[in-house]
Order: sequence, then C-alpha cells, then structure tokens
Amino acid sequence: AQSVTQPDIHITVSEGASLELRCNYSYGATPYLFWYVQSPGQGLQLLLKYFSGDTLVQGIKGFEAEFKRSQSSFNLRKPSVHWSDAAEYFCAVGLRNTNAGKSTFGDGTTLTVKP
Amino acid sequence: DAGVIQSPRHEVTEMGQEVTLRCKPISGHNSLFWYRQTMMRGLELLIYFNNNVPIDDSGMPEDRFSAKMPNASFSTLKIQPSEPRDSAVYFCASRAGQTNEKLFFGSGTQLSVL
Repeated sequence: AQSVTQPDIHITVSEGASLELRCNYSYGATPYLFWYVQSPGQGLQLLLKYFSGDTLVQGIKGFEAEFKRSQSSFNLRKPSVHWSDAAEYFCAVGLRNTNAGKSTFGDGTTLTVKP
Repeated sequence: DAGVIQSPRHEVTEMGQEVTLRCKPISGHNSLFWYRQTMMRGLELLIYFNNNVPIDDSGMPEDRFSAKMPNASFSTLKIQPSEPRDSAVYFCASRAGQTNEKLFFGSGTQLSVL
C-alpha cells in the first residue's frame, strides 16, 4: 500500500532563514505528489504539486519542491521564511492511472518561526 | 465561488448523542472526500465519493459512522452514537476530476464529544 512519511514532526526556524521540510513516499511507481499548508483553524490549501516533467516545482508563497526519484522524496523548500509561514504542512500522494482515486497524507510537520 | 462549505464549524455534544456534519462541495466537482484529523493519528481519509457514489469507505472507523451523498451538492457524515474518542476535526474536500487535480478543503468541523 502507498504510504507517506514526514520524518519531522516539528521544525523551528528563524525568520529569514531557509527551510526544508522532508517527505518520503513508498509506492511501486511514481505517484502524483502534493504539498498542502494548514493555518490554525483553517482547511488545507495546496502549495504545489508534481505529476510529470521538470522535477523542480514552483508553488505559491515562494515555496518550491524537488522530486527525487532515486530517493523517493519530495522535499519542500523556501529560501527565506516569513513569520506568516508558521503553520502545519502536509505532504500527500495520489495514485496514477485511476479515476478519482484517493490521496494519502503524511502526518504533517508543524513549522514554528522565531522572530 | 464560495469554496467547500462545512457546517457547523464547532460542535460540542454529549456521549451517546447523534452528530451530523454537513458539507457542500464546490459546484461542478465530482469527487468528495471526508477526512478526520487528530493529534494522534494525523489526517485520515474516512470515505470518498465519485459522482455521488461511495468508492472507498475502508477508512470509516466502525458502524457508528455513516456517510451519504444524496446529490452532487450535499453530503453528510453521521456518527450515532457518538463517543469521546470521536473528538477531532472533520474535513470535507472536493475535487473536479482526476487524481492529479488538487483537493479543495473546507474549514473543518471541530467536534468535541464529552
């Protein structure tokens, strides 16, 4: 069965510092890959997604993610973190070649931004 | 578009009571998902519908949980009877088409069962 692992439960970075959130997946083929952000009390919002082509994907709010097939990873990065980026971040995978298949989510990484 | 609309935003109930959570997906979306989020288990898929038909309900915890989608614009998740361990945030999400399309999430219903 497909699975998603986010190894870091909680990360703290200083404002202006760079950020990398890790995501690894386990699946027989390359799935569709997503990163979502959840601000306190809100639903999830899509940051970016990958399903083919360039392995470096640009998203909203200055985020990017790089798909590395050899490592089964899809890590999220941001060069300079802003205080408003404090939130919970979820990596998710979706099955290819299925109609209306489900998405599997990681457990999430909580980001705290220090002033 | 108003996005995915969930109601109520908060629900506090006593153990044993029936709870009904409601969701209105984005118009034109043909897939609808119910998720539950807790600190211990993270985000879990409970059930999803495609064109109003339940496709996968393997995530539904037990028979106390049921979900319906009587038409393309409305879905309910019912818990009867509710238990304290059902306390969580329940999210509804909808999607326009295939698996590579993104999910649009509602703001969630915070359920507390006392």
